[in-house]
Amino acid sequence: QVQLVQSEVGVKKPGASVRVSCKASGYTFPSFGITWVRQAPGQGLEWMGWISAYTGNTNYAQRFQGRVTMTTETSTSTAYMDLRSLRSDDTGIYYCARVTCGSTSCYDLDYWGQGTLVTVSS
Amino acid sequence: DVVLTQSPLSLPVTLGQPASISCRSSQRLAYSDGNDHLNWFHQRPGQSPRRLIYKVSNRDSGVPDRFSGSGSGTDFTLKISRVEAEDVGIYYCMHGTHWYTFGQGTKLEIK
Repeated sequence: QVQLVQSEVGVKKPGASVRVSCKASGYTFPSFGITWVRQAPGQGLEWMGWISAYTGNTNYAQRFQGRVTMTTETSTSTAYMDLRSLRSDDTGIYYCARVTCGSTSCYDLDYWGQGTLVTVSS
Repeated sequence: DVVLTQSPLSLPVTLGQPASISCRSSQRLAYSDGNDHLNWFHQRPGQSPRRLIYKVSNRDSGVPDRFSGSGSGTDFTLKISRVEAEDVGIYYCMHGTHWYTFGQGTKLEIK
């Protein structure tokens, strides 16, 4: 069965960087993409961007442009999300989710990871 | 930017009664593959979201048939024919291909 297992992170200081990993299993990793979604405490879902695991193409939400980098490692079926210059309002749960990718874009999130809590605090 | 507006934001429902959630887009998007990539998700407290419906009206595997999705253009609807206790939580609509947008969420609770 399809599974996405995310890393644990914990507390980060303002200005630091964080890397969240998302290890996929149960499907052919390069045949799909991975998207990242953030949920601030008590808030809704916010899309951050996606990456095609086949082409490496990425598309980031405008508000994260310049601060986020999404990558994949096909040999380990793992996706990574790096977020830099952390601020207190980056605190939240970060989810990875699988997406279907066409030639130019990715869509239709289906399977989700369990979420990674990132707390930004001094 | 495209905005998805859900209504209502709070939905108290009696067990066994129907429920309906609306998702309205601020503009119609043109998808190059001809599909409307409008999805519905359900999130229980403390859990990851789970997809219920994709491409407007396609139910995911394992989703009870009391859930149905419909709509086109800028207006979409999720319906639950008879609400059960396990349906509580927050429902989100989402659309997009190149970029994605989520609705604000609708909190369903049992009266």
